Amino acid sequence: AQSVTQLGSHVSVSEGALVLLRCNYSSSVPPYLFWYVQYPNQGLQLLLKYTTGATLVKGINGFEAEFKKSETSFHLTKPSAHMSDAAEYFCAVSDLRGAQKLVFGQGTRLTINP
Amino acid sequence: EAGVAQSPRYKIIEKRQSVAFWCNPISGHATLYWYQQILGQGPKLLIQFQNNGVVDDSQLPKDRFSAERLKGVDSTLKIQPAKLEDSAVYLCASSPARPGELFFGEGSRLTVL
Repeated sequence: AQSVTQLGSHVSVSEGALVLLRCNYSSSVPPYLFWYVQYPNQGLQLLLKYTTGATLVKGINGFEAEFKKSETSFHLTKPSAHMSDAAEYFCAVSDLRGAQKLVFGQGTRLTINP
Repeated sequence: EAGVAQSPRYKIIEKRQSVAFWCNPISGHATLYWYQQILGQGPKLLIQFQNNGVVDDSQLPKDRFSAERLKGVDSTLKIQPAKLEDSAVYLCASSPARPGELFFGEGSRLTVL
């Protein structure tokens, strides 16, 4: 069975500081990995995804994530935080067999301090 | 392109009552999902449809939850009777062929008193 662990349910950074949200996964088969963002009272929106190929993937709004197989990690980063980045972020894993079923982590709430 | 539509956005009911949520996916998306998101937790898959057929309903509490997808388009999720622990946001999502790229609706927030 696949699972995702997000380290830290709440992360707070200052505007302009580095954002680092941690995600570790467990999968018995090569995974597909995703980050979704959820703004208040809205649905989830895809930030970025890793399927195959380049391990450093870039997404919307300046976010990027690196797939590290040896560490079973897929951490999300952004060099400089903006106030508009305040939201809930979810890491998710799927398998390659086309079932397209996503298993989500518990989420990390990102707060940006002025 | 129109997004995933869900209704109602908010619903408050007493325990043991019934409730139904409706979802209209993005046109052409064959796969439709219902997720349950309890406050402070990540979304949990309840049921996945591929066209009219059920692909996965292993985490659907079948004694009280039911779902259907008529003609492979719209879907309805029903809870009867509701329990206090069913208070959550019910998210509908649809997907094209690209793996894992789910498009979510805004969700239906259920409060059971």
